[in-house]
Formats: sequence, C-alpha cells, structure tokens
Amino acid sequence: ERVMTQSPATLSVSPGERATLSCRASRNVNSNLAWYQQKPAQAPRLLVYDASTRATGIPARFSGSGSGTEFTLTISSLQSEDFAVYYCQQYNNWPYTFGQGTKLQIK
Amino acid sequence: EVQLVESGGHLVQPGGSLRLSCVASGFTFSNYWMSWVRQAPGKGLEWVANMKPDGSETYYGDSVKGRFTISRDNAKNSLFLQMNSLRAEDTAVYFCARAGVHITYWGQGTLVTVSA
Repeated sequence: ERVMTQSPATLSVSPGERATLSCRASRNVNSNLAWYQQKPAQAPRLLVYDASTRATGIPARFSGSGSGTEFTLTISSLQSEDFAVYYCQQYNNWPYTFGQGTKLQIK
Repeated sequence: EVQLVESGGHLVQPGGSLRLSCVASGFTFSNYWMSWVRQAPGKGLEWVANMKPDGSETYYGDSVKGRFTISRDNAKNSLFLQMNSLRAEDTAVYFCARAGVHITYWGQGTLVTVSA
C-alpha cells in the first residue's frame, strides 16, 4: 500500500497570501494524484486530478504540480472560503489512499 | 444535476451487520464506476470499495476485505454496501461516490456507529 504523507498538518496563512501544501508518496505514483478540499460537515470537493489538471469550476488560484513521489498544491491568493482541510489521494495502485490532511487556517 | 443519496446508517452492536444504500440520479448510472469512501469522526478519508459499471470487478480496502460487499442494481440506479462482522473501528460517515480513480461527485454521507 502506498502511504501518502501530507505536510504540514496545520498551516496558518493570512487572507491574500500564498499557501503551499505538500504531499509525499511512499513510492512512485507517477502523476496519478488528486487533491480535495473539505469544509466542516461537508463532503470533499475535487480540486485537481492528474497532479495538475484543475477540476471543472475550480478557480485558477488553485494549482497542482509534481510527479513521482513529491506533489504540491498552491493557492495563490487565499480567499476566506479557502480555509478548510485539504487531502491528497493517489490512484496509481489499489488500494487508493489518501493523505492524512492539511488544515489551512486563518492567521 | 448529479445527486447521490445515501441511507441505512445507524447504531449497530459489534459483530452486527448493516446494509447501506445509495440512489443516484442526474447521470447514466450504468456507465460509471461507483465507490464507497468512509471517514471516521474527526479523521481522514479511507477508500472502502470500488465496483465496475457492469459489476464484473470489485476492489476492497484491506481493512474491510472479507467483511464488506459492494453491489449495484443498474436498473434501479442504486449502489449498496453490505457490512458484516462490524467493529468499533468501522464507525464512520460512509460516502457514496461516483469514481473510477478520483472522485468527482460525492453524496452527503450516512453515519454508521458501531458500539455496545
């Protein structure tokens, strides 16, 4: 099983600033990686798939990069609605696995 | 509009069984892989099971293999999860999802609590 490790666990950033979230795979997952956003009491929302392709309706301030074992989600200018928990997920091999999440909170 | 509506979650004793249902609308159900993903209270996400559009292939996470069974009824646009030999660690919100490899659409989830 591929273990996905996200860092940091909590990230404090001011509105308008840039946020950079990291995800590391225990073994190569190629570009088979997705990012999700989850707000309290809601289902997650797909942001990025194939490591760098934004999902339908996702604002351009969200961008994904990386391949192999190292991945990054960047939010270029944080809006109030962006404060949430973010998960990465690999789908290179079954079982598909998620990272433990990064909580993005207001500084 | 794609909708996924789960039902069937409630309190069950350890060792018991439960069957979750998910009714889909807004898309051609029989064309898509479907999945169950769960989230324990205050914890992260775990992919539980996957099923091919025609039901010919299924995949399970290691923690539920041999205890849970995913199934579907394409004529009724429905997905199911039969859960047997339930344990306390199966306590979670269970999401129905339209997914092959990543999840574009999620239901709102149904809570399963395993406790004596």
